[in-house]
Parts: sequence; C-alpha cells; structure tokens
Amino acid sequence: QSVLTQPPSVSAAAGQKVTISCSGSNSNIGKNYVSWYQQLPGTAPKLLLYDNYKRPSGIPDRFSGSKSGTSATLDITGLQTGDEANYYCGTWDSSLSPSWVFGGGTKLTVL
Amino acid sequence: QVHLVQSGAEVKKPGASVKVSCEASGYDFRSYGISWVRQAPGQGLEWMGWITTYNDNTNYPQKFQGRLTMTTDTSTNTAYMELRSLRPDDTAVYYCARRGFLGEGYWLDPWGLGTLVTVSS
Repeated sequence: QSVLTQPPSVSAAAGQKVTISCSGSNSNIGKNYVSWYQQLPGTAPKLLLYDNYKRPSGIPDRFSGSKSGTSATLDITGLQTGDEANYYCGTWDSSLSPSWVFGGGTKLTVL
Repeated sequence: QVHLVQSGAEVKKPGASVKVSCEASGYDFRSYGISWVRQAPGQGLEWMGWITTYNDNTNYPQKFQGRLTMTTDTSTNTAYMELRSLRPDDTAVYYCARRGFLGEGYWLDPWGLGTLVTVSS
C-alpha cells in the first residue's frame, strides 16, 4: 500500500492527451514538492519533472505537471507510442518518521 | 555527463549480506546526496534511504533500520549500500540515484542502471 495514490493504469490514443494523478496528504504533497519519473520497460527510472512542474533539460514540453493542495498531476500531450511506460510520483513525507515516498505507479498504454 | 555505474548482479542465500556499489562521475560527488531505491519483480519503487555525501549523514525508513548501512568513499566517488540478514523477499533490482536539490524540493536524477540481487536457497 503506497503512501501516494496513483491510478494503476491509464490509456489514450496516439496524439491525444492523458492525465495521471497522484494523491497524498498534508504531510507529503501538501507541504513538499513533487517529482515525476518515467520507467520504460526494462530500464531504470528517469526524472521527468521536479519541483512540481519543472522540466530537466531534454524533457519535451509535452510533459507538464501541477500541484494543488494534496494532489499532483502529470499531463502528457501529443501521446506517442514511445511514451508507453510506468510513471511514478515521489515526494518527501514530513510525518513523525520522515521519508521519501513514491506512488504505486501508473502504467500508460498508448492505443 | 553525469553517470552512476553500479556493480554487477548478485545471488545470495537467506541470512547472508550483500554490498552494492555505485560509482559516480561527471559532477562534484560531495555536493549531492545519493539515494537507494529498490524494485521487486513486477512491483513499484521502494525508497531505501539516502546518504549526504559531505558528512555521511544517513536517513533510512524504519523498515530497514538495523539491517541497512549506506556509506561513501569520497576518494573514489563511490557510494555503497549493504543489506544484511537477507530474505527471499529482498529479491529486487537495487538502484542508486543522485539526490538533487536547488533550494525547493528534492528529486532523484540520474539513476544507475540497477543491480539485480537474488536471494534464494
């Protein structure tokens, strides 16, 4: 059971837009910044977004993020077959036992 | 180019220990922390903790306290993760990742390619 809740799977047609949600609480998303990671099949995770919405160099602007209250969102527009991957959100949890927490991951299928 | 190169796959028996290395290059090793994350077969990502490289401060979740040790060797820009009293459910790919921070949030980038640790009798 992950501290951050993501939908197990989402799907959309190539060229369309998809939104992946990440729901947490006041001790994690509510007070800390969120990052997003893309894990293509058989590879290591890769940073997609940090500080809620900032893109590292090399990440296309088709990937965008936002945060509101205790939830964060990853939007992917202009879907490509190469976007099929697992996506994870992550943030610091400032509870009594502080730790980094990940969402359970969302499998994106491009139809 | 920032790179993290991890040691090779390991097979261990239950009760044994494993030590995985992560050699960093392309940046000032002491300026960034190193985090370790594992992924059991077919499962999601699980944070195992991190180490601040300039002072060796560590932060481990309760689950691993007592059987996990993270260390660094700044002479070789290498981080180590040692897990003891291995159980079959410790079978996973273990990743190291550089911990980034620019004054706001933390993030993990880049990641090593991963080290498969198999625990089996």
